[in-house]
Amino acid sequence: AQKVTQAQTEISVVEKEDVTLDCVYETRDTTYYLFWYKQPPSGELVFLIRRNSFDEQNEISGRYSWNFQKSTSSFNFTITASQVVDSAVYFCALRGNYGGSQGNLIFGKGTKLSVKP
Amino acid sequence: EAGVAQSPRYKIIEKRQSVAFWCNPISGHATLYWYQQILGQGPKLLIQFQNNGVVDDSQLPKDRFSAERLKGVDSTLKIQPAKLEDSAVYLCASSFRDRDRNEQFFGPGTRLTVL
Repeated sequence: AQKVTQAQTEISVVEKEDVTLDCVYETRDTTYYLFWYKQPPSGELVFLIRRNSFDEQNEISGRYSWNFQKSTSSFNFTITASQVVDSAVYFCALRGNYGGSQGNLIFGKGTKLSVKP
Repeated sequence: EAGVAQSPRYKIIEKRQSVAFWCNPISGHATLYWYQQILGQGPKLLIQFQNNGVVDDSQLPKDRFSAERLKGVDSTLKIQPAKLEDSAVYLCASSFRDRDRNEQFFGPGTRLTVL
């Protein structure tokens, strides 16, 4: 079975602090994709990053960075020098080929990040 | 480039009534998805279309939910009759068919309240 676990339900930090959002996944597929989405209070899910299972290189985009470790089935997301505008719910998601449904995104329950000024 | 469009943004109905939601995907995206997001949870896939064909509807409660994408572009999701537990945000998403360009782009959602 495929599963995504985001153990942190809510995190609160003060502006300029660094924060890491954890994501652990389970899948039997050898080929799969991992995603992070941001859902601000407006409600729209915003795509942040996609990573395929063959690419374990970490990625940095501005203040955002992602650490993918197959050995621990984790795909963690770090925001450096957090800002109030980073306040949102962040979802980790998994897409595999199990059962032939290549489009099905399995989402975690999300982590609500509050950044206080 | 225009994003995924959805309407209405909000809908309040009484239980046992019917409701329909509309979605227009990003131009060129062959794959369209409907998700249900209950408060405090991640989105859950209801149905996936590839052009105008259904790829996956295993989690769609077919006794009350139906969806169509007749011309392979826009789509309608209907609930008839609605139950209290259908209160949720209904999200539409679209993507290219390519496995290497498979990130899904989401619309703003329709927030449904069933009283």
